Amino acid sequence: GQQLNQSPQSMFIQEGEDVSMNCTSSSIFNTWLWYKQDPGEGPVLLIALYKAGELTSNGRLTAQFGITRKDSFLNISASIPSDVGIYFCAGRTMEYGNKLVFGAGTILRVKS
Amino acid sequence: KAGVTQTPRYLIKTRGQQVTLSCSPISGHRSVSWYQQTPGQGLQFLFEYFSETQRNKGNFPGRFSGRQFSNSRSEMNVSTLELGDSALYLCASSSDGDQPQHFGDGTRLSIL
Repeated sequence: GQQLNQSPQSMFIQEGEDVSMNCTSSSIFNTWLWYKQDPGEGPVLLIALYKAGELTSNGRLTAQFGITRKDSFLNISASIPSDVGIYFCAGRTMEYGNKLVFGAGTILRVKS
Repeated sequence: KAGVTQTPRYLIKTRGQQVTLSCSPISGHRSVSWYQQTPGQGLQFLFEYFSETQRNKGNFPGRFSGRQFSNSRSEMNVSTLELGDSALYLCASSSDGDQPQHFGDGTRLSIL
């Protein structure tokens, strides 16, 4: 099962909208990563975070490492059609032997 | 820089058979991790190899095994295949275990 609670499970976007998703856990994490996966491909790394409170951007994407070290969020500004896909959070915590654990993913779809 | 390469991309096997999947990491990366991805369970960690040694292991039965060669290439073996082993198997590499992992496009294994 998943050790990270990722929400929302899915969402519809309209081009130009801002999008937010987050991951929470009861455990303290020392690394947070955000990935995007397109159909038929492996996850692609978007942003890596290493310190509590860290805010990092990659183009229209911004992610933050929560102050409590138990959560992280990802924002996408001014979404475009190619943003559709599945977004995964992942993190490392000594509670799970520093293995990388993943959220269940947020599916981003386009409103028709 | 070439990415992580996994072969084969698709594989069909029957119950009881065994299978070997291959992963070539990004040049210079010494850590290779394997994951199983299914719609129901998401991304589940199988094991991690670093410098030819298994450094971390997930909660999978002993039918799942792996190894890493001196050139950092890795193989994963599944013996006595079961229907539930149908999944996308992803390999990820990093320069060391704590650095962000970069994924290949996976091997889609179907068990008939």
